[in-house]
Amino acid sequence: SQKIEQNSEALNIQEGKTATLTCNYTNYSPAYLQWYRQDPGRGPVFLLLIRENEKEKRKERLKVTFDTTLKQSLFHITASQPADSATYLCALGSTDSWGKLQFGAGTQVVVTP
Amino acid sequence: GAGVSQTPSNKVTEKGKYVELRCDPISGHTALYWYRQSLGQGPEFLIYFQGTGAADDSGLPNDRFFAVRPEGSVSTLKIQRTERGDSAVYLCASSLRAGQGHGEQYFGPGTRLTVT
Repeated sequence: SQKIEQNSEALNIQEGKTATLTCNYTNYSPAYLQWYRQDPGRGPVFLLLIRENEKEKRKERLKVTFDTTLKQSLFHITASQPADSATYLCALGSTDSWGKLQFGAGTQVVVTP
Repeated sequence: GAGVSQTPSNKVTEKGKYVELRCDPISGHTALYWYRQSLGQGPEFLIYFQGTGAADDSGLPNDRFFAVRPEGSVSTLKIQRTERGDSAVYLCASSLRAGQGHGEQYFGPGTRLTVT
């Protein structure tokens, strides 16, 4: 069965450092992958989308890589700030059903001053 | 502009009752999505609409769940004979259209459903 795995343990990181999150998947051939941020009591907020033929995408302090051979995406937050503290979700989409996203369970990031 | 809105924000109901959850998407968005999220889990896909029609309802857990979008804007998720296991946060999202180039989904704040 399809499986999407994200680190279940919270990532505690000092302000100014780079946070790196992983998203691994099995039995899946995604056409694209997205990363979302979710704060407690709120809906997810879209951050980045990367397609299967793209290796890397950047947006401000965020960087995403996508390795379809390893079946893995890495999400980096550089120069992290306390305001970056949240849960980060990866979501996979396929050409079978364009609108259907399958989410991982998310990784909580805590950035301390 | 206004984002995706969902009503009610909280709903407590007794086991066996019928509930309706409403979603108002962003104006002009043709695709609308329903997910549910349990504590500590990511959103779980239920159904999505492109326009008025359900393009993929493969995530609806059983025939107690039904969703409509009669005019291609507002959507209602309907749950019959609620069970305690239906308790979760129900999230709605919308996007310009479904597709690789338009995959960015805008989520509402969710409706927290509690079945007692």
